[in-house]
Amino acid sequence: QVPLVQSGTEVKKPGASVKMSCKASAYTFTNYYIHWLRLAPGRGLEWVGKIDFHAGNTIYAQSFQGRVTITRDSSTSSVYMELTSLTFDDMATYYCARVKWELPPYFDYWGQGTRLTVSS
Amino acid sequence: EIVLTQSPGTLSLSPGEGATLSCRASHSISSNHLAWYQLKPGQAPRLFIYGASSRAAGIADRFSGSGSGKDFTLTISRLEPEDFAVYYCQQYATPPVTFGQGTKLELK
Repeated sequence: QVPLVQSGTEVKKPGASVKMSCKASAYTFTNYYIHWLRLAPGRGLEWVGKIDFHAGNTIYAQSFQGRVTITRDSSTSSVYMELTSLTFDDMATYYCARVKWELPPYFDYWGQGTRLTVSS
Repeated sequence: EIVLTQSPGTLSLSPGEGATLSCRASHSISSNHLAWYQLKPGQAPRLFIYGASSRAAGIADRFSGSGSGKDFTLTISRLEPEDFAVYYCQQYATPPVTFGQGTKLELK
């Protein structure tokens, strides 16, 4: 069973916003940090930010500050990532990945990815 | 932030051959906090190595990681057809976590 299940493909226009989800499957996120990363063509993997699922605290990469918001819903064991003011440079596959509280931040399981297309 | 440079960019090999993938850091990585991931199109990335040399659960022992400081290596002793993919190294010693640009392991 896939531990993290992400929402489906998104197509947005430049300037729009997108909100994608990541849901725990067969367990809860309570003792995990959930991170968001993206893989853009020709640009490799890039860390976007993270949320402490229990406390709700967030940290964002500097390059996304002011444009990204990560939230969580404890009732559904889901995490959301909203990215605003989209540009063509935001076209990528976005992944959520988990890190146990007590461990350093390497990612033992990832979601299957949400592909974002930005097109006018 | 720590910049990771992977080499080669593409490695063309045949099943049964061995592969050596390199990851070099711009600054020394403390505590060997380096991981390797495999990415295949349409699939979730998969953790292969953490702590520079510890295999993740379910990873075959033909995969091994080594190195310290600035230089790290992922070695695959005998390539199987399912090993052909893109491999990324990641440092998690110094925030923000950063990744190399990837090595594509392709069928010759």
